[in-house]
Amino acid sequence: DIQMTQSPSSLSASVGDRVTITCRASQDINNYVNWYQQRPGKAPNVLIFAASSVQSGVPSRFSGSGSGTDFTLTISSLQPEDIGTYYCQQTYNTPPITFGQGTRLEIK
Amino acid sequence: QVHLVQSGGEVKKPGASVKVSCKASGYSFTNYDINWVRQATGQGLEWMGWMNPNSGNTGYAQKFRGRVTITRNTSISTAYMELSNLTSEDTAVYFCARGSNVTPNPWLPRPPKYYYMDVWGKGTTVTVSS
Repeated sequence: DIQMTQSPSSLSASVGDRVTITCRASQDINNYVNWYQQRPGKAPNVLIFAASSVQSGVPSRFSGSGSGTDFTLTISSLQPEDIGTYYCQQTYNTPPITFGQGTRLEIK
Repeated sequence: QVHLVQSGGEVKKPGASVKVSCKASGYSFTNYDINWVRQATGQGLEWMGWMNPNSGNTGYAQKFRGRVTITRNTSISTAYMELSNLTSEDTAVYFCARGSNVTPNPWLPRPPKYYYMDVWGKGTTVTVSS
């Protein structure tokens, strides 16, 4: 199975900050990575698919990059509503679909 | 609007089975996969399996093989996930999620197809306790 490792596991940032979350795959997965946001008590919501394509309706401050084994989710200017946990997911070699362990984002 | 509506919370005893439903509306049920993902309290997301509602074909995570069964009733646009031989470790919120395939670059000779979960149910809490 392909393992997805996120870092950091948690982070605290101020409104307006640029925030970066990384995800490393245990093998080359091309660009078959998706990113999800999960607000507290809610279901996940897709932000980015195919490593860098922004899902319709997602604010433009969210972007994704990377290919191969290393991927990044960036929030260009953090907003209060961005608090929650972020997960990367690989769909390159399935089953199984695998998720990273999550990055919890808080506002300072 | 596209929705996935899940059944209500369940409390089960160890050794029992649970069956959670997921009713789709607002789109053609047989055109998209249904995935099942669970999340224990304070933990991450864990994919359990998927089903193609058109063919009925399924795929399961190795961890759950032999204990999980995903089925569907196309006449009522509903998918089901049944988990047997429950233990306290199965206490979690169970989500269904629609799986979509997209082709961002259709002009390529062999355009890659990408898969992601674009619509989620609100989750069903399953508690296993004696």
